[in-house]
Amino acid sequence: GAVVSQHPSRVICKSGTSVKIECRSLDFQATTMFWYRQFPKKSLMLMATSNEGSKATYEQGVEKDKFLINHASLTLSTLTVTSAHPEDSSFYICSAKAGAGARTDTQYFGPGTRLTVL
Amino acid sequence: LAKTTQPISMDSYEGQEVNITCSHNNIATNDYITWYQQFPSQGPRFIIQGYKTKVKNEVASLFIPADRKSSTLSLPRVSLSDTAVYYCLVHFDKIIFGKGTRLHILP
Repeated sequence: GAVVSQHPSRVICKSGTSVKIECRSLDFQATTMFWYRQFPKKSLMLMATSNEGSKATYEQGVEKDKFLINHASLTLSTLTVTSAHPEDSSFYICSAKAGAGARTDTQYFGPGTRLTVL
Repeated sequence: LAKTTQPISMDSYEGQEVNITCSHNNIATNDYITWYQQFPSQGPRFIIQGYKTKVKNEVASLFIPADRKSSTLSLPRVSLSDTAVYYCLVHFDKIIFGKGTRLHILP
């Protein structure tokens, strides 16, 4: 149980285009999902917290107009990288909380999406 | 948010028990301790979570002393496939990752 999927697993796009990444909780409902990015040999960096039916909360330094997050249902959150540039190339990982909604419910992570912007 | 300190890297041999200790001196009363494992180009995988004393599951044990200022992840009889980065996290709500411990298992 507690499986989180991401689609696509890898994407290559041209500079200036937009890319959408989907995160789905397959066997549980997730009121809260999180988006991270990870550069090579570095740790995960939290970008934003996504709550179903409300606006995402972005971490300091993350541009909300560049990284659009939508959490339209209890099993799906999407991250859209708008007008992507080479410096946006990274490994994007989502996570979802499984449980009854308690703050300490376990977070389960997706497999990640490798974005390469040419 | 509580800050964690763990070894940057560790080496061990197949079949050995590996203990990774994490310090979290500023842990708050409501904070939980969670350990994740991450392989290259994959998302972190949940290993174990605890609040105090000892927790055990099919893959690991977690030891937390009474003052909760540290915790030790114990991996019994490691194999080559346990080579990965291990993250110790202290959190109540959102998770902020530290640098993790790069564990390298040798044959």
